Amino acid sequence: QQQVKQSPQSLIVQKGGISIINCAYENTAFDYFPWYQQFPGKGPALLIAIRPDVSEKKEGRFTISFNKSAKQFSLHIMDSQPGDSATYFCAASGPGSNYQLIWGAGTKLIIKP
Amino acid sequence: NAGVTQTPKFRVLKTGQSMTLLCAQDMNHEYMYWYRQDPGMGLRLIHYSVGEGTTAKGEVPDGYNVSRLKKQNFLLGLESAAPSQTSVYFCASGRSGQSNQPQHFGDGTRLSIL
Repeated sequence: QQQVKQSPQSLIVQKGGISIINCAYENTAFDYFPWYQQFPGKGPALLIAIRPDVSEKKEGRFTISFNKSAKQFSLHIMDSQPGDSATYFCAASGPGSNYQLIWGAGTKLIIKP
Repeated sequence: NAGVTQTPKFRVLKTGQSMTLLCAQDMNHEYMYWYRQDPGMGLRLIHYSVGEGTTAKGEVPDGYNVSRLKKQNFLLGLESAAPSQTSVYFCASGRSGQSNQPQHFGDGTRLSIL
């Protein structure tokens, strides 16, 4: 019940295209859903996050879509650029995990120029 | 402003050896965390601390010990290294344990156990 399942494992998108990464969770007590971005040789960094009281949050080219009934959330990267090439992790936390982040397995995104 | 600094960046150990990984943060954060990152498994929490002098177990604590003697430092120890502990170790800090507080990560320590 603590798992966060992330797909796909890897993704190749053409420059200018839309990148979509999906996550599903099981614990309905989660109340915070962040996405972290990690470049090679670096630690993850918070990219964008959402709470379950909204269905969508947009920051620049990055959008989180949230479906509470399906227990799913996704990251959309519009107009994908080579600089977006990185590994993306979804995560979830809340009372059900003692507020510790439960992480997805990660998606390696490659944007082809 | 250095953020979260981890030392060393790389290390190779032999099975049975011991070592300590150091994490230092200069953001006056209360919470600190140690994770390990393995291919295809995301990040798994080893131990964490909610303040100076406190520690708590995470998801995968076996084989590791931690100490938080000073607020800015969080040490991860391997008493008797095993090949299964070959991984990339990340330290993170956060202002509090509230869900909406981001965790700030160091750049990792790449540890190989032969």
